[in-house]
Amino acid sequence: DTGVSQNPRHKITKRGQNVTFRCDPISEHNRLYWYRQTLGQGPEFLTYFQNEAQLEKSRLLSDRFSAERPKGSFSTLEIQRTEQGDSAMYLCASSLAQAGDGYTFGSGTRLTVV
Amino acid sequence: KQEVTQIPAALSVPEGENLVLNCSFTDSAIYNLQWFRQDPGKGLTSLLLIQSSQREQTSGRLNASLDKSSGRSTLYIAASQPGDSATYLCAVRGSTLGRLYFGRGTQLTVWP
Repeated sequence: DTGVSQNPRHKITKRGQNVTFRCDPISEHNRLYWYRQTLGQGPEFLTYFQNEAQLEKSRLLSDRFSAERPKGSFSTLEIQRTEQGDSAMYLCASSLAQAGDGYTFGSGTRLTVV
Repeated sequence: KQEVTQIPAALSVPEGENLVLNCSFTDSAIYNLQWFRQDPGKGLTSLLLIQSSQREQTSGRLNASLDKSSGRSTLYIAASQPGDSATYLCAVRGSTLGRLYFGRGTQLTVWP
């Protein structure tokens, strides 16, 4: 297993376009998380899945954002009608279900909205 | 709501110094605390994970301590090297659902 994989690494899009990011977690991890990080800030929680169920969503996740994990394996994060304020690093992480387990993060997807 | 603060925000030191990075959190009801390293434009690399029942963890030149009751953690870096230059992030896990709360990080520069 090569860890958590995120694609694409970089995405430049025009304002108003839709974008989709993909995350492949560590295969035995049943929890998957999405975070967003802007320059100079720590990552902020967006949403969380246990297997295919989306169990929690942050208020940061507006109606333009949607995340799925259809078969409890990979996940996608879609942003519709992108705005300049959506420019950020989008990070995916996975972990086992036990409360004491640590997170493994991917390398992130850098989104720039022009 | 859990709030995590890291001090200092930035640190610039010559090679060879021993360093202390500080992290504080407002709600002591945590499951664990994790220290991460982030290189510019990259994702997060886990350095150390301390369970709420533990007092410290060590990995090579890194040592992290946890005082849950006072809401504090310290990351100690011994004999710093230029390759240690990065941003160090502290994160606490506050419930079984597993959301992490992050500080803003300490940006470390170690010069030769």
